[in-house]
Amino acid sequence: AQSVSQHNHHVILSEAASLELGCNYSYGGTVNLFWYVQYPGQHLQLLLKYFSGDPLVKGIKGFEAEFIKSKFSFNLRKPSVQWSDTAEYFCAVNAQGGGQNFVFGPGTRLSVLP
Amino acid sequence: EPEVTQTPSHQVTQMGQEVILRCVPISNHLYFYWYRQILGQKVEFLVSFYNNEISEKSEIFDDQFSVERPDGSNFTLKIRSTKLEDSAMYFCASSRDRNEQFFGPGTRLTVL
Repeated sequence: AQSVSQHNHHVILSEAASLELGCNYSYGGTVNLFWYVQYPGQHLQLLLKYFSGDPLVKGIKGFEAEFIKSKFSFNLRKPSVQWSDTAEYFCAVNAQGGGQNFVFGPGTRLSVLP
Repeated sequence: EPEVTQTPSHQVTQMGQEVILRCVPISNHLYFYWYRQILGQKVEFLVSFYNNEISEKSEIFDDQFSVERPDGSNFTLKIRSTKLEDSAMYFCASSRDRNEQFFGPGTRLTVL
């Protein structure tokens, strides 16, 4: 069965600091990888996704993520965070050609201090 | 840009009552899903639906739950007899293929 872990439960940063949120997954086959963001009181929004090809993917709002197959990781990065990035971030995977459902990580709450 | 919509945005019900949560998936999508998120916890898969039948379901999706696509546009989740622990945010999602899923804004269910 697939599982997703996220390294940090809560990250607190000052504006302009760099961000890296860890995500590791457990699955023996080929997966699609996603990062979703949930702003307070709002629904899940897709930040970026990886299906195949270049392991460095760029998403919206200046976010990027790197897929490292050997480490089963898909870490999210942003060089300079803003107060408006305060939100919950979820890593998710689904199996290519297999089960359709997403398996979400537990989420990382990011608080950016102005 | 087409979106998944859900109604109501907030549903309050008494324990033991039946609730129906409604979703309108994106029109050319073929796969439909329900997820839930208990407050402060991660998003959990409930069920997926394709070609008018359930294709996959989790342990959470017991006999109290059912899904239906009553017409060409709506996709509903019914909870037959709600329990306190059913209080959560319920998200509907749809996809054209098995890859990217698009999520709705969620329905907050509060069971008293």
